[in-house]
Amino acid sequence: AQRVTQPEKLLSVFKGAPVELKCNYSYSGSPELFWYVQYSRQRLQLLLRHISRESIKGFTADLNKGETSFHLKKPFAQEEDSAMYYCAFSNQAGTALIFGKGTTLSVSS
Amino acid sequence: DTGVSQDPRHKITKRGQNVTFRCDPISEHNRLYWYRQTLGQGPEFLTYFQNEAQLEKSRLLSDRFSAERPKGSFSTLEIQRTEQGDSAMYLCASSLAGGPYGYTFGSGTRLTVV
Repeated sequence: AQRVTQPEKLLSVFKGAPVELKCNYSYSGSPELFWYVQYSRQRLQLLLRHISRESIKGFTADLNKGETSFHLKKPFAQEEDSAMYYCAFSNQAGTALIFGKGTTLSVSS
Repeated sequence: DTGVSQDPRHKITKRGQNVTFRCDPISEHNRLYWYRQTLGQGPEFLTYFQNEAQLEKSRLLSDRFSAERPKGSFSTLEIQRTEQGDSAMYLCASSLAGGPYGYTFGSGTRLTVV
């Protein structure tokens, strides 16, 4: 079955520390992968897409097909990064996104 | 265009009652999705439309659930004979078809069945 696994429910770091939010997917083809973020009392919003190879708010994510991973990274965490982060996946046929259970990132000073 | 709108924001209903939620997508978006989210879980896919055609339904969508998008614009999600297990946040999202576009989500409708 196609699924997305985010192994950490909660990740707590200090301001300025590096951050890595893990995401693994199960799919043998070429996936389309996304990271979504939900700040407190706000709606779910797109953070970045793997196909864009972009950096948003200092976050990057690299698709590793060998490890079927799409980990989200930021070299220096900021307090405003505290939020819930969801990894999401779609197959080549463009079916609806499948979301992981999410990881809460807490950045403290 | 103010993004994806959902109405109502909150709904409290008694078990056994029917409820209907509405979603207005971004006008240029031809795809519309419904998800359900419970505490501690990520959004779970329910169904999606491309224009007015309902293209995919999840096994989560029991026969008490029905969704429509009659003119390819707004959509409604109806739950008949609500059960306490239906209590959740119901999210609507829209996107363009034909590419790896991200979704734009609405704020959701929080349903509480008492």
